[in-house]
Amino acid sequence: DADVTQTPRNRITKTGKRIMLECSQTKGHDRMYWYRQDPGLGLRLIYYSFDVKDINKGEISDGYSVSRQAQAKFSLSLESAIPNQTALYFCATSLSYNEQFFGPGTRLTVL
Amino acid sequence: AQKITQTQPGMFVQEKEAVTLDCTYDTSDQSYGLFWYKQPSSGEMIFLIYQGSYDEQNATEGRYSLNFQKARKSANLVISASQLGDSAMYFCAMRELADSWGKLQFGAGTQVVVTP
Repeated sequence: DADVTQTPRNRITKTGKRIMLECSQTKGHDRMYWYRQDPGLGLRLIYYSFDVKDINKGEISDGYSVSRQAQAKFSLSLESAIPNQTALYFCATSLSYNEQFFGPGTRLTVL
Repeated sequence: AQKITQTQPGMFVQEKEAVTLDCTYDTSDQSYGLFWYKQPSSGEMIFLIYQGSYDEQNATEGRYSLNFQKARKSANLVISASQLGDSAMYFCAMRELADSWGKLQFGAGTQVVVTP
């Protein structure tokens, strides 16, 4: 079984809809991250959490919110999706400074 | 300001040849780490290699090696004996102690195509 899972893997939604992307990990890592990837760009950080009680905004947090329900779960929500939020979304985890493990990604299309 | 710069948008390399992917970085932190990831067309991010700023030896992992030139703030990835399966997007990324070893900051990537 994969250590970092993301659901759904693909999602098509309409402008204005609320959508939640979920991330679960079995690695026991405290640190979890949400990144976004647009074509031609590297990954950019949306939100990150160093533990259940610690959540921080990344460089592109506008239009997104997160919830850290447990050490193993970190969800990303788009309260009112818009077309320019169409992207590939990655969840990641890490325990120490020299590693960061990524989930398989969620392809989100907002029509 | 861009912290990671990858100047090669795309490269072609012949099978069995070596290829060097350029990465320069910008930081005032003394403690940082540099990562390389591979992203095949299927989309997943695959960790390749890590180099710490205090590591004296260049990192190597199988066919991957990192040419770390600290004074030039350069961390180039060398793939030896290229294989068709090496065709992918390659990303350089950095993590800084000043950021509590938090987020990775990524470059824009280099698309590598390996030809027979």
